[in-house]
Amino acid sequence: QLQLQESGPGLVKPSETLSLTCTVSGGSISSSSYYWGWIRQPPGKGLEWIGSIYYSGSTYYNPSLKSRVTISVDTSKNQFSLKLSSVTAADTAVYYCALLADYWGQGTLVTVSS
Amino acid sequence: DIVMTQTPLSSPVTLGQPASISCRSSQSLVHSDGNTYLSWLQQRPGQPPRLLIYKISNRFSGVPDRFSGSGAGTDFTLKISRVEAEDVGVYYCMQATQFPLTFGGGTKVEIK
Repeated sequence: QLQLQESGPGLVKPSETLSLTCTVSGGSISSSSYYWGWIRQPPGKGLEWIGSIYYSGSTYYNPSLKSRVTISVDTSKNQFSLKLSSVTAADTAVYYCALLADYWGQGTLVTVSS
Repeated sequence: DIVMTQTPLSSPVTLGQPASISCRSSQSLVHSDGNTYLSWLQQRPGQPPRLLIYKISNRFSGVPDRFSGSGAGTDFTLKISRVEAEDVGVYYCMQATQFPLTFGGGTKVEIK
């Protein structure tokens, strides 16, 4: 069964760049004609889609975050990554990677604080 | 952006009784390929979301048959035929017909 695992720093300073990686196991990231994506959930709140990358490399971003987001894929490592620049406290959230919407990682809490 | 509106916000239910959640989209979710990409997700306390239903009414692998989805166009419903203790959590509808993908605000199912 497909499994996804997020990794990256749990604490990021304001104005810096948040970087997370999602490692996929149990299947090849380049074999599925699906979208891989990042979703976040601020503490006690709902889900917000950040962006997606198609297995071919095409990317789609939430317009509200587009100027700060980059999603990329590394097929050799079976991973895809998220970079969110110029973070503020409002970016504090649990970040999930997913094969939308079938399989989700466990999520990783990222806190933005000095 | 397509706005997804869920009702109710909270649904206290007696064990063994049915529960129903409504989701309305601000525009039709019928894709140009003829499919309607409306999914339902369950998030148990402290857990990541889990896919229950995709394309309106298709149960995902391993999902009990007490969960069912219905609807068309802009109006959709998730039903739990007999609520069990493990069904406690927040339920979200999600549309993937058009970017940006959007979620409903969530409905909390709790036991009375």
